[in-house]
Amino acid sequence: NAGVTQTPKFQVLKTGQSMTLQCAQDMNHEYMSWYRQDPGMGLRLIHYSVGAGITDQGEVPNGYNVSRSTTEDFPLRLLSAAPSQTSVYFCASSYGSGNTIYFGEGSWLTVV
Amino acid sequence: GESVGLHLPTLSVQEGDNSIINCAYSNSASDYFIWYKQESGKGPQFIIDIRSNMDKRQGQRVTVLLNKTVKHLSLQIAATQPGDSAVYFCAENSNNNDMRFGAGTRLTVKP
Repeated sequence: NAGVTQTPKFQVLKTGQSMTLQCAQDMNHEYMSWYRQDPGMGLRLIHYSVGAGITDQGEVPNGYNVSRSTTEDFPLRLLSAAPSQTSVYFCASSYGSGNTIYFGEGSWLTVV
Repeated sequence: GESVGLHLPTLSVQEGDNSIINCAYSNSASDYFIWYKQESGKGPQFIIDIRSNMDKRQGQRVTVLLNKTVKHLSLQIAATQPGDSAVYFCAENSNNNDMRFGAGTRLTVKP
């Protein structure tokens, strides 16, 4: 079972470049979300979606955009990369808020 | 504001011993808790969960204890093995709001 699939695994960007982190899940989950994980800190919510066509901001949304055109896909776009966005990014999904969250394997992003 | 945290950032145990990893939470309205295991270079993996109407839940070699009086959560791993070496963190959820995560405890198992 694929679960939550993220690509790319690793990426190096120059400051000011844009890119999209892809995320797909095959569990028919309505709820999808993006987190970033920084050393010494817990996972922080960037954006989330409670269903196709609906997105909302999390704790640290600045510099990121998302869309949810289908139930399966939830891409995260960095509009103009900054060194502060160097982090590990995790996509996650669940049946709904308040249910177990399943994570992808992560995307390691470095902005130079 | 409300926060989820851990008492210890690192824990080192001998193979075969039991491990106890602790987590404090401050939101008394939290009603759902999860423990995750994260191995190096991988995503967090669900271990066990517990809802606030319970104070103990057991899985395979793992037990989660919830003390709502002092807002404390613990994960007990029996007969710790080298494969248990990882970062463990807790997460809390209240009123179906977004899950909040602790920073994690790094468990090292010595042979």
